[in-house]
Formats: sequence, structure tokens, C-alpha cells
Amino acid sequence: GAVVSQHPSRVICKSGTSVKIECRSLDFQATTMFWYRQFPKQSLMLMATSNEGSKATYEQGVEKDKFLINHASLTLSTLTVTSAHPEDSSFYICSAYDSVQETQYFGPGTRLLVL
Amino acid sequence: QKEVEQNSGPLSVPEGAIASLNCTYSDRGSQSFFWYRQYSGKSPELIMFIYSNGDKEDGRFTAQLNKASQYVSLLIRDSQPSDSATYLCAVKSSGTYKYIFGTGTRLKVLA
Repeated sequence: GAVVSQHPSRVICKSGTSVKIECRSLDFQATTMFWYRQFPKQSLMLMATSNEGSKATYEQGVEKDKFLINHASLTLSTLTVTSAHPEDSSFYICSAYDSVQETQYFGPGTRLLVL
Repeated sequence: QKEVEQNSGPLSVPEGAIASLNCTYSDRGSQSFFWYRQYSGKSPELIMFIYSNGDKEDGRFTAQLNKASQYVSLLIRDSQPSDSATYLCAVKSSGTYKYIFGTGTRLKVLA
């Protein structure tokens, strides 16, 4: 299967700071990437769809000014959690859509802890 | 609202048995169906996808699709303790790249 990387894998930050998470498709180009969040023992929640060269599409209830998404190239999307608070602590997972395989491939996830 | 439903489990099966995981979906326009496995603390990994009615086999895994009944299942033969994980069913509708995920079924394979 295709390979998607995420960086960092784990981050601890102080309340009020901003955190950037990178998602890269390593062996295919992805015009579309997705950002999910998962709280412990809960299901995946889609936050937004990231489109290369255009604005991201956010799901209902997700604050676009708090979760900034940039999809600057066909292999890189970034999620910035601005002014992070303890309630933003979660497991953030990206996926990249391989249009040839017509399949989403997930990155390994980033565990964020806001103190 | 488009929905994908799975029994949350846990589904417990003895080692060597067949585990049967089920999923129903509400959108008749759904075209592609996926099974992902998620180990605790890890991200989902793709096991199989299926597009056409019938069975699709890959090693110990068989995906079954019945579009008329809006039902997709995953069979795991010769279950191993290492198969213990949460299995997520995902459905993709035509005209979109978004998937609708079920809440997952937790499988426990008992040694």
C-alpha cells in the first residue's frame, strides 16, 4: 500500500501556543488529504478536507480559524492548531487520497497533549 | 444523513475460528467499501476494499458485499490473537472522496 507520513508523532505544548502537524504522501501525489481527530475509545471524526491549491472544507462544528489547514503541494498538507488548549489534546490523524487506487491511506497519527 | 453502522462489540472468538464482522450503510449511492484495522493507540490501516457485489478474498480475509441489502461484511479465517483490534467499515459515495466511517467493531481473539 501507499505510504503516508506524519510529523511529529507526539507533541507536548503549553496552553496558548500553536502547533503545526505535517502530513506527507511519500510515493504518490494527493490532491486531496483529510484530517481526523480521535479521542480515547471513540471513533474517527473527520475535521476537514484539504485540497491542493484551494481552501480546505471544514466539517460542521470545526472552527476553521482554530485549525488552519494548508495544502501547499501535491504531497504535503499541514494542520496548525492555534492557541491550543487542554481540550484540544487528542490523536490527530491525516489521510491522503490516492486517486489511482481510489483509496485513502492513513498517516501514523500525531498525539497532542496540551498542558 | 448518510450513516454506516457497526456493532461495537467486543466480538470474542477463539483462536483458529472464523470472525465475522458486519456493517450496514444507508446511502444507496455508495460505490466503494473499505475495511480498516486499527490497533489500540495506532492509526487505521487498510485491509481490503470491495466495489462489486459478491465476495473478494485476500489471504485469510474475505470481504462480502450485498448492495441490495446495503450490507458489507469481513470474514477473518483462522483468527489469531494478533488480529485483536478494532475493525472500521468505511463507505464512499460517488462524486466525493470522503468516507463515512462506522464506529468500529472491537475484535478479541482468545488464545
